Amino acid sequence: QKEVEQNSGPLSVPEGAIASLNCTYSDRGSQSFFWYRQYSGKSPELIMFIYSNGDKEDGRFTAQLNKASQYVSLLIRDSQPSDSATYLCAVRRGQNFVFGPGTRLSVLP
Amino acid sequence: ETGVTQTPRHLVMGMTNKKSLKCEQHLGHNAMYWYKQSAKKPLELMFVYNFKEQTENNSVPSRFSPECPNSSHLFLHLHTLQPEDSALYLCASSQERPGGLGDTQYFGPGTRLTVL
Repeated sequence: QKEVEQNSGPLSVPEGAIASLNCTYSDRGSQSFFWYRQYSGKSPELIMFIYSNGDKEDGRFTAQLNKASQYVSLLIRDSQPSDSATYLCAVRRGQNFVFGPGTRLSVLP
Repeated sequence: ETGVTQTPRHLVMGMTNKKSLKCEQHLGHNAMYWYKQSAKKPLELMFVYNFKEQTENNSVPSRFSPECPNSSHLFLHLHTLQPEDSALYLCASSQERPGGLGDTQYFGPGTRLTVL
C-alpha cells in the first residue's frame, strides 16, 4: 500500500465551481498534513496545512481532516483558470515528509 | 520567491562527471532538505539536515553525497550518475520547533538535471 494516495486526475471543473481534491494516508502516526500547488515546471508552493480534525478555511481554500478515516481533502471554491495546476498532498511524521503523486486540476473557462 | 535559492537551474552532465548542486536559504530556518522529483513519480525525500546534522537518509545511493556546512547552505555532490538519475532536484527549508505541527517546508526553484 502506498503511503500517501491521490487520484492522479485530471480533474476538470468549470470556472466558478467547487473543486474537491482527496488524499488518503496509511501511517496512523502522521501528525500534520499539507497541501501544495505545483505549476508545470515550477516548484511546489504551500497552500495550507492542517493538524486537527475538522475544517480549516483560508480564503477560497478549505482543508478537511479526518484522522479516524485517514483522509484529508482540499476544497477550492469559485475555481479560476489560474488554479489549474497539480495539487500535492504531503503527510508529516516527525521530520519525515511523504508526498502523494499529486492530482492534476484543470479549470475550464 | 520563497527565500530559497538553488544553482544551477539546469545541469547536463555525463556519467563520469562530478558536479555539485547548491542551495541557500535566506529565511533563518534550521532544517534543510533534498528531494528528487522524477516524471510520473511522487516527490522523494533524499536527505534531511537539522541544525547541520543529517537526520534522515532515505536509502539514497552513495553516488549522491550531501554536505551542510552551516544552517543556510546545503550541497548535493554528484558523481558517476546514471541516466535514471535525471530529474528535478528540489531543496527545501523549514524552521523546526518543539511540537511545531505546522512547521512547513519552503521549496527552492529546483535544478533540472540531465544525465547523458
